[in-house]
Amino acid sequence: AQTVTQSQPEMSVQEAETVTLSCTYDTSESDYYLFWYKQPPSRQMILVIRQEAYKQQNATENRFSVNFQKAAKSFSLKISDSQLGDAAMYFCAYRSARRSTGNQFYFGTGTSLTVIP
Amino acid sequence: NAGVTQTPKFRILKIGQSMTLQCTQDMNHNYMYWYRQDPGMGLKLIYYSVGAGITDKGEVPNGYNVSRSTTEDFPLRLELAAPSQTSVYFCASSYSYRGSTGELFFGEGSRLTVL
Repeated sequence: AQTVTQSQPEMSVQEAETVTLSCTYDTSESDYYLFWYKQPPSRQMILVIRQEAYKQQNATENRFSVNFQKAAKSFSLKISDSQLGDAAMYFCAYRSARRSTGNQFYFGTGTSLTVIP
Repeated sequence: NAGVTQTPKFRILKIGQSMTLQCTQDMNHNYMYWYRQDPGMGLKLIYYSVGAGITDKGEVPNGYNVSRSTTEDFPLRLELAAPSQTSVYFCASSYSYRGSTGELFFGEGSRLTVL
């Protein structure tokens, strides 16, 4: 099974500043997908951003962007102009592109982000 | 459009009791999943289904059963509840086809406590 590692259990950022959350993964596959999910105190899991491994261009969604380094198996999330509503647990996730895996996702253990006013 | 709906949101069980967590999705997704989330442990896959009539075990299936008689519904059955099954349970669905990212859509979660 693939493993996804988030080495920062907790992070904090000042409001309006930028923060980067780290994620590394272990795989022998060349074709896969990566995701960042946000889980606020409401418990709802919300998709933040996604990246296809075959795309060299880093994905961007408004204030959220990723730094995808395929060779290093690294997928970090950058949050710019941090807002109080960004405070949440963030999970990195991996999905193989092989249909034989049943579309299984592998999640990291999460990074708890605190935004300081 | 309701998305993924799971019930109940909270439940307290006594050791040895059984219950079913209900999950339904209205997005015509082919894949459905059950995860459990324990503090500091991320999400662990319990069971998943690639379509009606087809289910398979995930990483932590012991103590659980599922069925998928329709595309929309994917109930999770807990037999003989144990304290180790105290957790937050998430149902999720996705629509996977060749070339799609197939991201997960989650329900709101169900907090289960076994005493």
